[in-house]
Amino acid sequence: EVQLLESGGGLVQSGGSLRLSCAASGFTFSDYAMSWVRQAPGRGLESVSAISGSGGSTYHADSVKGRFTISRDNSKNTLYLQMNSLRAEDTAVYYCAKRGHKIAAPGNYYFDYWGQGTVVTVSS
Amino acid sequence: DIQLTQSPSFLSASVGDRVTITCRASQGISSYLAWYQQKPGKAPNLLIYSASTLQSGVPSRFSGSGSGTEFTLTISSLQPEDFATYYCQQLNSHPLTFGGGTKVEIK
Repeated sequence: EVQLLESGGGLVQSGGSLRLSCAASGFTFSDYAMSWVRQAPGRGLESVSAISGSGGSTYHADSVKGRFTISRDNSKNTLYLQMNSLRAEDTAVYYCAKRGHKIAAPGNYYFDYWGQGTVVTVSS
Repeated sequence: DIQLTQSPSFLSASVGDRVTITCRASQGISSYLAWYQQKPGKAPNLLIYSASTLQSGVPSRFSGSGSGTEFTLTISSLQPEDFATYYCQQLNSHPLTFGGGTKVEIK
């Protein structure tokens, strides 16, 4: 059974930092790209960052570029999101999500498993 | 960035109703679209990908159609457990944008 368990959320002041973790199990972690998707209170979904299975390729949305860094440790089956220079608008539930297909190609970027989410609150 | 516009944003329906939600893309995305269901306090759940392929374990009352810029999600007979918010997501290119959501509530 695939499981994704996020941790590391919390309350932080504006300008502060947090590191989120997502422990994965139930599948060959290194075979799949992973993403972080966030949802601000009462709002929709925003794909924030993505990383290839090997970790050699990453993507960050413009809203977090230069502040957030996605990484992974395939020996520990763990995904990370280092968040620096946090702003009030970063307040959200952060989900880690597994890509549903091994091959990176248009059409394959759907998420078939999601974690339960971890809450990040940035106070101004 | 590819923009996705869902309509309606809110829908009131009864158990047994046939429900259709539309998602329009700002540019053609072939069949590269997914649909998710999200219940309050829970993570999204994948329903459909490639516009019309039902994810394993999803009831057959859910179906998807469309290509290019216009897509639909249909629930053939609404069940009590289907009251939730539904999101479309384009799978064409980064950033992987989502629609604004359609909340389905009990009439």
